[in-house]
Amino acid sequence: GEDVEQSLFLSVREGDSSVINCTYTDSSSTYLYWYKQEPGAGLQLLTYIFSNMDMKQDQRLTVLLNKKDKHLSLRIADTQTGDSAIYFCAESIETSYDKVIFGPGTSLSVIP
Amino acid sequence: NAGVTQTPKFRILKIGQSMTLQCTQDMNHNYMYWYRQDPGMGLKLIYYSVGAGITDKGEVPNGYNVSRSTTEDFPLRLELAAPSQTSVYFCASREVGTDTQYFGPGTRLTVL
Repeated sequence: GEDVEQSLFLSVREGDSSVINCTYTDSSSTYLYWYKQEPGAGLQLLTYIFSNMDMKQDQRLTVLLNKKDKHLSLRIADTQTGDSAIYFCAESIETSYDKVIFGPGTSLSVIP
Repeated sequence: NAGVTQTPKFRILKIGQSMTLQCTQDMNHNYMYWYRQDPGMGLKLIYYSVGAGITDKGEVPNGYNVSRSTTEDFPLRLELAAPSQTSVYFCASREVGTDTQYFGPGTRLTVL
C-alpha cells in the first residue's frame, strides 16, 4: 500500500545541522516534497524534488533522494530557532487527481 | 494575490449541527482539495475537485459534502456534526507542472 513514514520528533541545538528523514513505499511517485507547518498555520512548501533527481540544494536546505531505498531526507544547515516547526514529507503519485500522500510530520525543536 | 483563504479560523459546533467551511483561491488553479489533520497523523484527503462542476471522494469522505460551482470556491459542508469530526481542516489548490499544492491557513473545528 501507499505509506509515508517519518520519525515524530527531533531536537537539535541552534547552529547545528538538522536532518529529517522520510521513507515512502510507492515507487511510482513523481515528485517528493517537504512542507513546513508553524504553530496555528497551514502547510508551506519548503522545497520539492523530481523523482529522477538525487539531490537538490536551496540555500540552507539540502534534499537527498535515494530511490532504490525509497528514502528522502531534508538537511537544514545552521538551524535557527525560527526553524522550529513540524516538517511533512509527501509524495505525489500519478493518478486521475495526482494523489499526494503525507507523512505524519516531524516536530523539530531547536534549543537555543 | 491572497493565495488560498479559509473561513472561519475557529468554530465550535454542537453534535448534530451543520456548517460550511469556506475556501477560496485566486490563482486560477483547477485542482482543489480538502484535508483533515488529526494530532500525530498526516493529512487525510476528504474530497477533491479537478475543475468547476467536478468533485470526487478522497480517503475519508463520510459525513462531508462539497460543491464546486466556480474555479475559485470549494466549500466543504458538514451536515450532522459528530465528535469524530473534531479536527483541523485544510483547503489546498494545485499548480500544474510541479504538482505543488498551496494550502490555506486552516479551520480548527471542535464538535462537543
